[in-house]
Amino acid sequence: EVQLVESGGGLVKPGGSLRLSCAASGFTFNSYTMNWVRQAPGKGLEWVSSISFSSTYIFYADSVRGRFTISRDNVKSALYLQMNSLRAEDTAVYYCVGRNPPADYWGQGSLVTVSS
Amino acid sequence: SYELTQPPSMSVSPGQTASITCSGDKLRDKYACWYQQKPGQSPVLVIYQDNQRPSGIPERFSGSNSGNTATLTISGTQAMDEADYYCQAWDISTGVFGGGTKLTVL
Repeated sequence: EVQLVESGGGLVKPGGSLRLSCAASGFTFNSYTMNWVRQAPGKGLEWVSSISFSSTYIFYADSVRGRFTISRDNVKSALYLQMNSLRAEDTAVYYCVGRNPPADYWGQGSLVTVSS
Repeated sequence: SYELTQPPSMSVSPGQTASITCSGDKLRDKYACWYQQKPGQSPVLVIYQDNQRPSGIPERFSGSNSGNTATLTISGTQAMDEADYYCQAWDISTGVFGGGTKLTVL
């Protein structure tokens, strides 16, 4: 059974930092491009960042570039998102997504709330 | 930055056909995919590479992409199809989602 389990979310003050983790199982992790997608409360989906299977290619949305860092550990089948200089507008559920079309796997999400 | 535009909402009667559009500049030059999201759940891929259906997705879901518009078509819409639908495409190295369409079946 495929599982993607996010952790590390919570309440943080503006300007603070948080590190999200995603533990993957049930599929060949090192063959998948991994992504973070977020969804603000009551809003639509927003792509945040992607990392290729060997970490050669890394991309960010303009809204997070320079503040967020994506990384992966293929030995541990884990994906990470280091989030610095957090802002109120970063408040969202963050989903870990694995893609190797047609396969497309989503976690249940981790809520990040940025508030003073 | 690249943008994808969807109608915010639409309604369809059970058994009828729902067509949800997604517009973007030269979208035909990119692959479009579609996600279904029900309240409190993670999104589910229903169409990838414009018109391909993942295993487990009912045949009533189909897709097309021509000109500046990609379309998700649900034939014989059922009550269980009521959900938010999002298109997505890649512009060079950036993933872009449409704003989403809330489909009501009534």
